[in-house]
Amino acid sequence: NFMLTQPHSVSESPGKTVTISCTRSSGRMASDYVQWYQQRPGSSPTTVIYEDNQRPSGVPDRFSGSIDSASNSASLTISGLKTEDEADYYCQSFDSSDHSWVFGGGTKLTVL
Amino acid sequence: EVQLVESGGGLVQPGGSLRLSCAASGFTFSDYDMHWVRQAPGKGLEWVSTLDSADDTYYPGSVKGRFTFSRGNAKNSLFLQMNSLGAGDTAVYYCARGSNLNDAFDIWGQGTVVTVSS
Repeated sequence: NFMLTQPHSVSESPGKTVTISCTRSSGRMASDYVQWYQQRPGSSPTTVIYEDNQRPSGVPDRFSGSIDSASNSASLTISGLKTEDEADYYCQSFDSSDHSWVFGGGTKLTVL
Repeated sequence: EVQLVESGGGLVQPGGSLRLSCAASGFTFSDYDMHWVRQAPGKGLEWVSTLDSADDTYYPGSVKGRFTFSRGNAKNSLFLQMNSLGAGDTAVYYCARGSNLNDAFDIWGQGTVVTVSS
């Protein structure tokens, strides 16, 4: 079993770039795909990145994902920040050792 | 339009039971893995159960033995039977569809609220 650890919160100004990290506690991050979900207040989550770095249709290219094997972490980068990007972001992966789905604790992004 | 609609949430006493429903439109449940994910008030997302396209079920330790995920007789209905509920089960429960290409959740319902309290 592994855990995914995210910072509780990040903040940045409109127009800037922010990166949210997601660190895997054990096993290789690169061994299972990572997804990122955006959840605005009062709404259900939606996918912004799947399979580490793929964007669903309709998600702007300001959103990008990557994997860093050296730090065993995944990152979500949002460039050209807009106030509408203010939301909670969750990373998620699959634990094949016990067939379970794992979420990070979530990161609250404030754009101010 | 592909859509999931949950129902069945409500207030239940500790130790009680509740059955949640998930109705689909725009696709056939049996073609996909289906999941329940919950979110306690002010907390993050927690995977609760999976019913895969082969009708196998999976649960985390926190609900195993208490929750049962099943298909209804109608092709587009799913149920989550929750027994021996405790305060820690208080949450919004989301029904979510699993992607056919990877282990992501690609469609989410709007959620149904379960409150366990005396």
